[in-house]
Amino acid sequence: AQTVTQSQPEMSVQEAETVTLSCTYDTSESDYYLFWYKQPPSRQMILVIRQEAYKQQNATENRFSVNFQKAAKSFSLKISDSQLGDAAMYFCAFYTGRRALTFGSGTRLQVQP
Amino acid sequence: GAVVSQHPSWVICKSGTSVKIECRSLDFQATTMFWYRQFPKQSLMLMATSNEGSKATYEQGVEKDKFLINHASLTLSTLTVTSAHPEDSSFYICSARDWRGTYEQYFGPGTRLTVT
Repeated sequence: AQTVTQSQPEMSVQEAETVTLSCTYDTSESDYYLFWYKQPPSRQMILVIRQEAYKQQNATENRFSVNFQKAAKSFSLKISDSQLGDAAMYFCAFYTGRRALTFGSGTRLQVQP
Repeated sequence: GAVVSQHPSWVICKSGTSVKIECRSLDFQATTMFWYRQFPKQSLMLMATSNEGSKATYEQGVEKDKFLINHASLTLSTLTVTSAHPEDSSFYICSARDWRGTYEQYFGPGTRLTVT
């Protein structure tokens, strides 16, 4: 079974600064996908970034980037130039294509003005 | 982009009654839809996987007679909470996977259920 661990229940960052959210996972699969989702107070799940395990290059979406370390089974999210609108719950998720997404416990990000 | 809707967004019902929640894929066909439950300040917990035209697959610990799932068409799945009790109060979220088999899943906005 796959497990996803987010060891930081809460993080805080100053506006315009950079913050990194941690995620580790455990799997015996070799082909899978990793995601970071954002859940703002509206509770709508929003896809932030995705990473295919077969790709060595780290994914980047504007201010969001990941550090994917396949051997270490680590998948951290870096948010640069943090904005007030980035405040939300962030969930790391794992997917093999055979089942639903497996989510981590989440990290609540606060952005201080 | 792919859009998934849920209806209602918020429902209050009395204990002992049943309530139906609809999940629709608006601009794509979804052979598979997923139902999650989320308690306050917690993560999403998968309840069941529904495949169009077949019976849903429930996760361990989820009562299939209480949470009835129907996926009658490629764009609609329903979750019926039968004989609801206050402990069923929660936030229910559906997601849908495009029939073309991409790994992408699209989430509905969720339904808040309050049982009084």
